[in-house]
Amino acid sequence: AQRVTQPEKLLSVFKGAPVELKCNYSYSGSPELFWYVQYSRQRLQLLLRHISRESIKGFTADLNKGETSFHLKKPFAQEEDSAMYYCAPSAGGSYIPTFGRGTSLIVHP
Amino acid sequence: GAGVSQSPRYKVAKRGQDVALRCDPISGHVSLFWYQQALGQGPEFLTYFQNEAQLDKSGLPSDRFFAERPEGSVSTLKIQRTQQEDSAVYLCASSLSTGPLNEQFFGPGTRLTVL
Repeated sequence: AQRVTQPEKLLSVFKGAPVELKCNYSYSGSPELFWYVQYSRQRLQLLLRHISRESIKGFTADLNKGETSFHLKKPFAQEEDSAMYYCAPSAGGSYIPTFGRGTSLIVHP
Repeated sequence: GAGVSQSPRYKVAKRGQDVALRCDPISGHVSLFWYQQALGQGPEFLTYFQNEAQLDKSGLPSDRFFAERPEGSVSTLKIQRTQQEDSAVYLCASSLSTGPLNEQFFGPGTRLTVL
């Protein structure tokens, strides 16, 4: 069965500290990996996708196929990074994402 | 241009009532998705349309849930005989097409509360 695990419900850091939001997945085949973000009172939106090898707002995510992980990282957290983050692997012809339960990131000043 | 819109934004229903939730996707977007998000959880897939064709409805939790997109644009999610466990935020998303490079754009959601 497809499963995605975000072990931390809440992650609290101070501004300027490094941050890592963990994501582990269990999927048949080779899924595509995505991170979505929801800022306070805003819509859910795509943050980044593995296939594009992109860095968005200073965030990067490395795929580790051996550990089946896709952790989201940022070297220096900013207050505006405070949000809910969802890891979402997807597979199949329509690439419908399976969302984790989310990690709430709070960056303190 | 306008993003995905959903109406109503909030809906309170008595148990046993039928409800209809509407989604207006971005114009020209072929693919449309419905998700259910319970409190404290991530969105869970319900169903997916490509134009007017419902290609996947594996996530619909029971036969009380029905979705349609008759003209390949606006979609309606209908829940019959609502139960308390149906209380959730219902999200709609649309994308230009399918595939890993096609970004899903989400609506603001409809918060359904069943009393």
